[in-house]
Amino acid sequence: GENVEQHPSTLSVQEGDSAVIKCTYSDSASNYFPWYKQELGKGPQLIIDIRSNVGEKKDQRIAVTLNKTAKHFSLHITETQPEDSAVYFCAASGTGRRALTFGSGTRLQVQP
Amino acid sequence: NAGVMQNPRHLVRRRGQEARLRCSPMKGHSHVYWYRQLPEEGLKFMVYLQKENIIDESGMPKERFSAEFPKEGPSILRIQQVVRGDSAAYFCASSKESGNTIYFGEGSWLTVV
Repeated sequence: GENVEQHPSTLSVQEGDSAVIKCTYSDSASNYFPWYKQELGKGPQLIIDIRSNVGEKKDQRIAVTLNKTAKHFSLHITETQPEDSAVYFCAASGTGRRALTFGSGTRLQVQP
Repeated sequence: NAGVMQNPRHLVRRRGQEARLRCSPMKGHSHVYWYRQLPEEGLKFMVYLQKENIIDESGMPKERFSAEFPKEGPSILRIQQVVRGDSAAYFCASSKESGNTIYFGEGSWLTVV
């Protein structure tokens, strides 16, 4: 089955700096890569996703890049704000009837 | 348009009791997924269901756990004879079709005492 690895496990940045979280996946058939943000006591919230026919996608301060050859994808958050502090999860899924496989999460702390 | 609704949000059970967690998917969604999250850990897949069908239960423990998604009504995750190790947050998610965007509920926190 699919295996997703995520790094780093914790990340501390100063407000206004950029944050980058990286994930690798094992199943070359995977073609859908979402990112979720989870705040304490709440459910994961989808923040951006990318499909394998696209190399990069942006939504305001958030961008995701995908390298299918290397089987890795990354989340980039620019101009970080204290409210970006949360745990971020990457995930991957393949074609057919498959659920998402999640990475282990990155705890992002934005220092004001 | 209401999101994925889970109840109860918090549930306390004594060892040996049964826990039933309910999930109503987003309107128009017929695919439901259950995930478990232990404290300070990631999301582990348990089961994937479509109306009246279990599509993938490879992440479900073989004993004590069962799930259903009937033609009418919410999806139910049932845990029989709970043990302390079952204490976790259980998240339900739904999608319109397989391969579509998956949206999560706010979770049900189970505490076994």
